[in-house]
Amino acid sequence: DAMVIQNPRYQVTQFGKPVTLSCSQTLNHNVMYWYQQKSSQAPKLLFHYYDKDFNNEADTPDNFQSRRPNTSFCFLDIRSPGLGDAAMYLCATRTLNNEKLFFGSGTQLSVL
Amino acid sequence: AQSVTQLDSQVPVFEEAPVELRCNYSSSVSVYLFWYVQYPNQGLQLLLKYLSGSTLVKGINGFEAEFNKSQTSFHLRKPSVHISDTAEYFCAVTTKAAGNKLTFGGGTRVLVKP
Repeated sequence: DAMVIQNPRYQVTQFGKPVTLSCSQTLNHNVMYWYQQKSSQAPKLLFHYYDKDFNNEADTPDNFQSRRPNTSFCFLDIRSPGLGDAAMYLCATRTLNNEKLFFGSGTQLSVL
Repeated sequence: AQSVTQLDSQVPVFEEAPVELRCNYSSSVSVYLFWYVQYPNQGLQLLLKYLSGSTLVKGINGFEAEFNKSQTSFHLRKPSVHISDTAEYFCAVTTKAAGNKLTFGGGTRVLVKP
């Protein structure tokens, strides 16, 4: 059974049109992460939550926002997607006392 | 700050042959080290991790890795690969000071040939 679920699997949006990617988890983990992975590159951390405590990476563009309304759900909002934002977006979770990350299958975002 | 270097971007290997994927890290404090595998169009899956203790770590699917502090390395090995091992492999490092946030290497694409 999937434990970290990302929807949709593939998302197409238009240049400049806001888009939201979603992540849900059944693990009740405190920490949730959003990574951006461009083609043939390593995942790059955008931001993460310790419970409701939001932590933004210094080089994450302002165009990227996140919401975590409850423990189970986390959203990535891209306010005005550019062509350079086309990538795989990965959600991951972990508990506070375990370093192992559980990843979702990712959402592949295309920007036309 | 920590960093990770994976020296090989691609490794072709024949089925049933051994494979070694190289990973070197840089950090001024004690590290936690990980290897993740990513199959096409999927998220990352943990293969193994080193937190402390024995420097030889065994993971899933027959993989193992050895932590070498003097050489700042954490190379991944498998004595006999299968076609199903074709994937991208990422080495990652974190520290307590970094709040356990992972820093990934650039990845090594393994292509297993029949």
